[in-house]
Amino acid sequence: DTGVSQNPRHKITKRGQNVTFRCDPISEHNRLYWYRQTLGQGPEFLTYFQNEAQLEKSRLLSDRFSAERPKGSFSTLEIQRTEQGDSAMYLCASSPRLGAGGYIQYFGAGTRLSVL
Amino acid sequence: AQTVTQSQPEMSVQEAETVTLSCTYDTSENNYYLFWYKQPPSRQMILVIRQEAYKQQNATENRFSVNFQKAAKSFSLKISDSQLGDTAMYFCAFMTETGANSKLTFGKGITLSVRP
Repeated sequence: DTGVSQNPRHKITKRGQNVTFRCDPISEHNRLYWYRQTLGQGPEFLTYFQNEAQLEKSRLLSDRFSAERPKGSFSTLEIQRTEQGDSAMYLCASSPRLGAGGYIQYFGAGTRLSVL
Repeated sequence: AQTVTQSQPEMSVQEAETVTLSCTYDTSENNYYLFWYKQPPSRQMILVIRQEAYKQQNATENRFSVNFQKAAKSFSLKISDSQLGDTAMYFCAFMTETGANSKLTFGKGITLSVRP
């Protein structure tokens, strides 16, 4: 068990560029979550996958955001045409199925995005 | 919709002393989970303690314990024998037991500083 891995750890980009983040969950965790955390605030839910199915998206996830989890393993979060307001820490978390303590989420270290 | 309120932005405690962090929440659900997560500076979020709403007994984990008052919708964290390594942001979080999307709703967090 190597924990939840997120790459890159930091990303600096210019406004208008596209960026993609990757999350590798704990193996055999079928649930995967993306959250966004701005400075001095708690994380806010963005989207949720159970296996490869994206089951819920927050209203925070505008049309410029897209997330995928092919084959129910790793996940990617892409932001198109980045804006300065997208600058934040993007956190990924995974959890096992409900019957196996699935209410406990394990977080990665996050990807810090800075949009200049 | 559920909300989590942490009204204290910052707290400070002397090493070896006891400190209590406050959290209130609002929900119409009867079955849910409550959590305290710790986020050290520039490090990933880790679970400190969890409480199932159907359990009357307050959860404890070594130096960490909670005071769960379901009727008052209050969930405070007590840290005994504070250590320098306890310096971090602490987030109170809520999760419904719907079996569908088990997303976490976080409070704004509290910055705890442990003084030597």
